[in-house]
Amino acid sequence: AQSVTQLDSHVSVSEGTPVLLRCNYSSSYSPSLFWYVQHPNKGLQLLLKYTSAATLVKGINGFEAEFKKSETSFHLTKPSAHMSDAAEYFCVVSVYSSASKIIFGSGTRLSIRP
Amino acid sequence: GAVVSQHPSWVICKSGTSVKIECRSLDFQATTMFWYRQFPKQSLMLMATSNEGSKATYEQGVEKDKFLINHASLTLSTLTVTSAHPEDSSFYICSARDRSSSNEQFFGPGTRLTVL
Repeated sequence: AQSVTQLDSHVSVSEGTPVLLRCNYSSSYSPSLFWYVQHPNKGLQLLLKYTSAATLVKGINGFEAEFKKSETSFHLTKPSAHMSDAAEYFCVVSVYSSASKIIFGSGTRLSIRP
Repeated sequence: GAVVSQHPSWVICKSGTSVKIECRSLDFQATTMFWYRQFPKQSLMLMATSNEGSKATYEQGVEKDKFLINHASLTLSTLTVTSAHPEDSSFYICSARDRSSSNEQFFGPGTRLTVL
């Protein structure tokens, strides 16, 4: 069965410093992996996705993630945090079925200190 | 492109009443739509998968008679919370899968339901 684990429930960084949000996955098949962002009382926005092409995936707003099969990880990074990055981030793995279901991680709340 | 809307964005109702939430794909056809529930400061939990023209598939633990799902067209799915109780208060989010996309889902903005 597929699953995804977000290792940190809360990450706090200073504005202008790097961001690292950690995600590990478990899948018997080659998974599709996604990172979504949710701002307070808003819907989810796709940041980036990995679908077995390049292992380093670039997304919107300067975010990127690297798929590492040997480590079963898909960590999200950004070189320099901005105040507007403060939000909840979800790592998501696809379920290998015709229904194309996805499974959400527990989420990481990112806080940005001025 | 790939916009999903939900209506209403928030609703307050009395205990015992029923509430209908609509999910629409505005610029694409969605053969499959998904309904999620999100409690405060928690992740999204899949409630059911809605396929156009057929019965919804519910996740384990979700009451079919409580949460009625109808997917009557390629652009509309509805979730009806029947005989709502305070414990049904939550943030309900739908998503739609573009029939031309392999597995990407596009999410609606969510509906906040408060049952008094």
